[in-house]
Amino acid sequence: SAVISQKPSRDICQRGTSLTIQCQVDSQVTMMFWYRQQPGQSLTLIATANQGSEATYESGFVIDKFPISRPNLTFSTLTVSNMSPEDSSIYLCSVDRGVGEKLFFGSGTQLSVL
Amino acid sequence: EDQVTQSPEALRLQEGESSSLNCSYTVSGLRGLFWYRQDPGKGPEFLFTLYSAGEEKEKERLKATLTKKESFLHITAPKPEDSATYLCAVQAQGGSEKLVFGKGTKLTVNP
Repeated sequence: SAVISQKPSRDICQRGTSLTIQCQVDSQVTMMFWYRQQPGQSLTLIATANQGSEATYESGFVIDKFPISRPNLTFSTLTVSNMSPEDSSIYLCSVDRGVGEKLFFGSGTQLSVL
Repeated sequence: EDQVTQSPEALRLQEGESSSLNCSYTVSGLRGLFWYRQDPGKGPEFLFTLYSAGEEKEKERLKATLTKKESFLHITAPKPEDSATYLCAVQAQGGSEKLVFGKGTKLTVNP
């Protein structure tokens, strides 16, 4: 298994501001994934972050809105920019530790935008 | 487009009352099907991976099965601590690491 620490655990933000979410893993991993879980909806992949390269974004998500950093093999950040109430959601960091066990998740960041 | 549908959306059971959760999927070649458990305020916790039709996996009171179109999570003699939301996800063949999730089944087990 993997230990994933995600900060902050929750935040309440004002419209138009930005929030950066941090994800720290207890060991080196190649790929880190950022998911969004909106109320009553499925977990949706935002982007895949590889160390040393640009993140790969899924359809419907853009770098200007969700910039991602991946400075080393154990850390990543996701920024939610210019927030609106529609961005209120749980944001989850996850890693893949190999064949047979798929995706370990952090505890998530509960974001509310007023 | 790959899709995952879980049913029912919510299920209430009495302690000891066995039942099954369903996960129907449409995917362009299945690479793997995954079950997770999610408790309130926490991230999903990995339970099982299934790769091919006919495969079964067990863990304590849970057993996951897979056919070519759906997967079942059987819960035998559940306890209140089994209460959680159970998520199903699929990964398609083709090299992408992306998982497509269903909306989940919220299970409540009453003592």
